Amino acid sequence: DGGITQSPKYLFRKEGQNVTLSCEQNLNHDAMYWYRQDPGQGLRLIYYSQIVNDFQKGDIAEGYSVSREKKESFPLTVTSAQKNPTAFYLCASSIDNGQETQYFGPGTRLLVL
Amino acid sequence: AQSVTQLGSHVSVSEGALVLLRCNYSSSVPPYLFWYVQYPNQGLQLLLKYTTGATLVKGINGFEAEFKKSETSFHLTKPSAHMSDAAEYFCAVSYMEYGNKLVFGAGTILRVKS
Repeated sequence: DGGITQSPKYLFRKEGQNVTLSCEQNLNHDAMYWYRQDPGQGLRLIYYSQIVNDFQKGDIAEGYSVSREKKESFPLTVTSAQKNPTAFYLCASSIDNGQETQYFGPGTRLLVL
Repeated sequence: AQSVTQLGSHVSVSEGALVLLRCNYSSSVPPYLFWYVQYPNQGLQLLLKYTTGATLVKGINGFEAEFKKSETSFHLTKPSAHMSDAAEYFCAVSYMEYGNKLVFGAGTILRVKS
C-alpha cells in the first residue's frame, strides 16, 4: 500500500533534549511538509521541501530543524530551543508544491516530561 | 496577509439534519480550495477540492462544497448527517502569493446527536 508513515505515535521529551520525528513516504512525491497542530489553531507550517537536499522554512521554523537526504524521507528534529514543543505533528507529501493535494501521515504526539 | 476563516469552532446537528460548515478566504485571485476531515488522533483526509471549472464540487461521503467568488466562500454541506460524520473539518487554501503553500483554517468540530 502506498502512503505516509510517521513514527513514533507518541514521543516524550525531557528538558534540554533534542528529539527526532520520522516521516517516510512511498508515493514517489517530490514535495514534503511538516505541520504543527495545536487545539483551536489549525495547522501551521514548520518546514517544507520541494526536492531532495533542499528545504525552506515555514511560518514557525524556530526551534526545529529538518533534512531531506532521500526523496522518501523528511525527518523533523525538535531542538531544545523549542520551548513549547507539546503538540501533534503531521507530515504530508504532494506531487509538487501547493496546488496539488497533500496527503497526510497519521501524526506523532509529542509530550514534555 | 492571507487568511482562512471558519465560522464556528463547534457545530452540533442532529442525525439526518443538514450539515453546513462555513469557510471564507481572503484573496482577490481565485485560489485552490480544499476541505479535509480529521478523526481523533489521526491525520487529515481529503474530502474534496476546487481548482478550476465547475464551482460545485462533490467529494467523498456525500459532502459537497460550492466556490462563490463574489462571496470569497467555500462552504461545505451534506444533506443528511450521519453519526460517522462526527470529526474535525479543516478548510485550506492555496494562495499563489504565498508560494502556493496551503493556509489552514482553525477547524470546526462537528458533533452529530442521535
